[in-house]
Amino acid sequence: AQKVTQAQTEISVVEKEDVTLDCVYETRDTTYYLFWYKQPPSGELVFLIRRNSFDEQNEISGRYSWNFQKSTSSFNFTITASQVVDSAVYFCALSEGLNAGNNRKLIWGLGTSLAVNP
Amino acid sequence: DAGVIQSPRHEVTEMGQEVTLRCKPISGHDYLFWYRQTMMRGLELLIYFNNNVPIDDSGMPEDRFSAKMPNASFSTLKIQPSEPRDSAVYFCASSRHTGRVRNEQFFGPGTRLTVL
Repeated sequence: AQKVTQAQTEISVVEKEDVTLDCVYETRDTTYYLFWYKQPPSGELVFLIRRNSFDEQNEISGRYSWNFQKSTSSFNFTITASQVVDSAVYFCALSEGLNAGNNRKLIWGLGTSLAVNP
Repeated sequence: DAGVIQSPRHEVTEMGQEVTLRCKPISGHDYLFWYRQTMMRGLELLIYFNNNVPIDDSGMPEDRFSAKMPNASFSTLKIQPSEPRDSAVYFCASSRHTGRVRNEQFFGPGTRLTVL
């Protein structure tokens, strides 16, 4: 069965520290997609990144970077030089099997609440 | 694009009343999802539609919940009768189908429902 685990429930850092949010997934599918979303205190869910299982290249977008490792079934998210505005809940999600036809469900982790303190 | 639009943003009602939540997906998106978020259970998928047809409603809690999508630009989630345990934030999301690619879902701002 598909599953996404975000073991860190809450993280608190001081501004300018680097922080890594962990995401470990389980799937029997050989083809799948992984996602990260951000939910700031205002409540909306904001898409950050999508990665498919064929592309293991790490991705960098400004202060954000993602490390995808199929060998350890992990898709970790690092914020470099964190800022107060990064305070949010971050969710990792997995798409169910692409061999399941029309299935468009996302399997969600429970989220990691990040507090960046000044 | 306007993004996914949900209304109302906040709803306070009394137990036993009917509640209707509304969603307008992004134009051109053919998938629409309804989620519920609570502290205890996190983000739960309730139902999703493809081209206005319900594909999977296995997450709908019980018969008190129903969802419709009469056309490509409008969907409703109805709770009748409402109960205090239905208090949550309800999100609508939409995405666009492109072959076997799993595109991201775009979320609306949510409706915060409080049932007294």
